[in-house]
Amino acid sequence: TQLLEQSPQFLSIQEGENLTVYCNSSSVFSSLQWYRQEPGEGPVLLVTVVTGGEVKKLKRLTFQFGDARKDSSLHITAAQPGDTGLYLCAGLVSGGGADGLTFGKGTHLIIQP
Amino acid sequence: NAGVMQNPRHLVRRRGQEARLRCSPMKGHSHVYWYRQLPEEGLKFMVYLQKENIIDESGMPKERFSAEFPKEGPSILRIQQVVRGDSAAYFCASQPGTIFYNEQFFGPGTRLTVL
Repeated sequence: TQLLEQSPQFLSIQEGENLTVYCNSSSVFSSLQWYRQEPGEGPVLLVTVVTGGEVKKLKRLTFQFGDARKDSSLHITAAQPGDTGLYLCAGLVSGGGADGLTFGKGTHLIIQP
Repeated sequence: NAGVMQNPRHLVRRRGQEARLRCSPMKGHSHVYWYRQLPEEGLKFMVYLQKENIIDESGMPKERFSAEFPKEGPSILRIQQVVRGDSAAYFCASQPGTIFYNEQFFGPGTRLTVL
């Protein structure tokens, strides 16, 4: 079973459109990160959310952490081809478990010019 | 301001050989994590180390895999007697010791291919 479920798995849209990707779990996370990974490279940290209900903005990217700290979303406004990549959510399970991050399988995003 | 460094970037081994993967954390970071990414799978946590100590190895296979982070030098992930199923991308991440929410910074990875 996958502790963090990301949806959609694949998304291909036209430049200029808006999109939202989701990261859901039945477990509570003490923190949650979003990463972007390009082919042949390691994940690059985009943002960390810690507080339930928290919203963070990074230019055209808006990240939200659910009130119960079990889910998160990433919204991109006016997507550009440079946004193409694999978007990963990862978190640290609250209250124990492994010390490492738990990752979702990611959303493969393609922005077509 | 060098990031996390890993070498080699690509490693090819034949079945039964040993693989050694190296990771140099960011300057000032004393915590290192190793993850494995199989094709079409998410990253899976393997082991968490601090200098000279293994803190959590709950994600490590019980046999053939070992990791160390000596007082001096890089962290090393060692895979003995490799098998085809070990083919994957192995990522190292580092973290300063004082961050509560486990923010980790990843290296570019080592892609291991077992023939």
